[in-house]
Amino acid sequence: AQTVTQSQPEMSVQEAETVTLSCTYDTSESDYYLFWYKQPPSRQMILVIRQEAYKQQNATENRFSVNFQKAAKSFSLKISDSQLGDAAMYFCAYAEANRDDKIIFGKGTRLHILP
Amino acid sequence: EAGVVQSPRYKIIEKKQPVAFWCNPISGHNTLYWYRQNLGQGPELLIRYENEEAVDDSQLPKDRFSAERLKGVDSTLKIQPAELGDSAVYLCASSLDIRTYEQYFGPGTRLTVT
Repeated sequence: AQTVTQSQPEMSVQEAETVTLSCTYDTSESDYYLFWYKQPPSRQMILVIRQEAYKQQNATENRFSVNFQKAAKSFSLKISDSQLGDAAMYFCAYAEANRDDKIIFGKGTRLHILP
Repeated sequence: EAGVVQSPRYKIIEKKQPVAFWCNPISGHNTLYWYRQNLGQGPELLIRYENEEAVDDSQLPKDRFSAERLKGVDSTLKIQPAELGDSAVYLCASSLDIRTYEQYFGPGTRLTVT
């Protein structure tokens, strides 16, 4: 069964600095998607970034980028120029391609932004 | 464009009482999901609808949970009777195309069972 592991329950970063959130996953499949979701105190999950496993190029969305290491089954999120609004729970997630739409979430990392 | 709407935002009930959650997905989104998020955990899928049809309800505790999606739009998730362990946030999400895995989430309903 596929699993997603986030080993950092909480992290803190100074405003304007860069922080990296870690995620590892386990799968025997070769075609899949990986995601980072943000959940602020309002509880509404927001998709931050998505990576297709067949793409070697790391996905980037403005200040958010990923380091996708397929062989190592690692998928970390880098947030540059951290802002107070980045404070939230961040969930790493996995979905197998061409099967169904089931997304498997990790337990999350709570990110604190220090002013 | 309006997002996914859920109500109520909070609900406190005593155990053994029934409770219902309502979800209105984004207009045009045929796929609707219900997730349960326990404290300190990521969301876990309970049921997925394609239009009116429940296509994945393998994680739904069918002895006390039920769901419906009439006319392929709004959906209701019901628990009867509620147990202490049902305290969680219940999230609804919708998507336009399941192949993109782009799910849009509502704000959730926080259920507390006392």
